[in-house]
Amino acid sequence: ELKVEQNPLFLSMQEGKNYTIYCNYSTTSDRLYWYRQDPGKSLESLFVLLSNGAVKQEGRLMASLDTKARLSTLHITAAVHDLSATYFCAVFGNEKLTFGTGTRLTIIP
Amino acid sequence: NAGVMQNPRHLVRRRGQEARLRCSPMKGHSHVYWYRQLPEEGLKFMVYLQKENIIDESGMPKERFSAEFPKEGPSILRIQQVVRGDSAAYFCASSPVARPPQYFGPGTRLTVT
Repeated sequence: ELKVEQNPLFLSMQEGKNYTIYCNYSTTSDRLYWYRQDPGKSLESLFVLLSNGAVKQEGRLMASLDTKARLSTLHITAAVHDLSATYFCAVFGNEKLTFGTGTRLTIIP
Repeated sequence: NAGVMQNPRHLVRRRGQEARLRCSPMKGHSHVYWYRQLPEEGLKFMVYLQKENIIDESGMPKERFSAEFPKEGPSILRIQQVVRGDSAAYFCASSPVARPPQYFGPGTRLTVT
């Protein structure tokens, strides 16, 4: 059974700081996805990572994938309040997405 | 192109009643997935359907829950004799092929009183 773990589960950070969210998964996969969810809302697709060494960047967010280590990271640069949300990674295997537990990010002014 | 539609957005049911959740995939998408999100948790896969067929229902409870995706019309997730533990957000996602990206609907928030 595919397991996906994220850490930390909760993260409070000050505006302007940098931080990284980690996503580990248990079996081989070359398709990893990052989503953002605001309270009471649906999931917004952020990044699709399809190969070892893939790196994608959008604004202050950058995601990377190391398939050998079964690890993906979501790096936040110079955080701003608008980035406060819950972030999920998800791994595709056995015809379905398995989601991580989520990281609730709160940016403090 | 309209996105994935779900209705109702909010549903309140008393214990023992039935809940019917509807999902209309994006145009041209024949693959539908249902996920459940319990409060303060991540999304958990429930069932994967392709037109008229259930492909994988390994995440769906064996009792009280059923899903269908008929040739015409939306996909339906049906929960019979709801209990308080069924209170959750239910998300539907669709894709044109049997691989992501999956496009998520706005969700149905079910509250069982």
